[in-house]
Amino acid sequence: GAGVSQTPSNKVTEKGKYVELRCDPISGHTALYWYRQSLGQGPEFLIYFQGTGAADDSGLPNDRFFAVRPEGSVSTLKIQRTERGDSAVYLCASRYRLAGGYEQYFGPGTRLTVT
Amino acid sequence: AQKVTQAQTEISVVEKEDVTLDCVYETRDTTYYLFWYKQPPSGELVFLIRRNSFDEQNEISGRYSWNFQKSTSSFNFTITASQVVDSAVYFCALSEANFGNEKLTFGTGTRLTIIP
Repeated sequence: GAGVSQTPSNKVTEKGKYVELRCDPISGHTALYWYRQSLGQGPEFLIYFQGTGAADDSGLPNDRFFAVRPEGSVSTLKIQRTERGDSAVYLCASRYRLAGGYEQYFGPGTRLTVT
Repeated sequence: AQKVTQAQTEISVVEKEDVTLDCVYETRDTTYYLFWYKQPPSGELVFLIRRNSFDEQNEISGRYSWNFQKSTSSFNFTITASQVVDSAVYFCALSEANFGNEKLTFGTGTRLTIIP
């Protein structure tokens, strides 16, 4: 079956611009996560959705970052006034079961480069 | 707060050697989950194993085995008879059982290179 997909795969933008990154989770997965992976580091949590609502956005670095999941499926991560420090790979993951430590399935990521 | 430490930044071994990747974790929860993920050069994270904090049984899957020891807060990963295809970055991760919000805390990863 289809895995988690993310678009675009690469995004180059100028400092100060607005960007949107899209995540299509596995069908039927209610939990959705966004992570950010900087070069040479492990992924870091940004935000968690259970259904349509953001249940935990404690990982968002500041108010330039925002994410939505209006219909409980596709999610969009939005970054305003991008800065060079935002350059990283943004990963999306979805999970089937509500709880119980089931694995998260990761997408291929969007590599964001801010020039 | 949770923390995962992978002290080995890079490891290189010759093909067919055994190799162990170390993982030490910190958490205040009594119920938590431990994971290993593989990130090959293509970049996509691949799930390898999940372990519940109440299950300290070691696990073997083909050439892979995992040793979970709560007494030392470690969850080490061993590859037996390594192969070139095992070359990748390996991440250990931890999540707490938190009403469904099982966000992952990752270590910094160990880059494993298998030399043919």
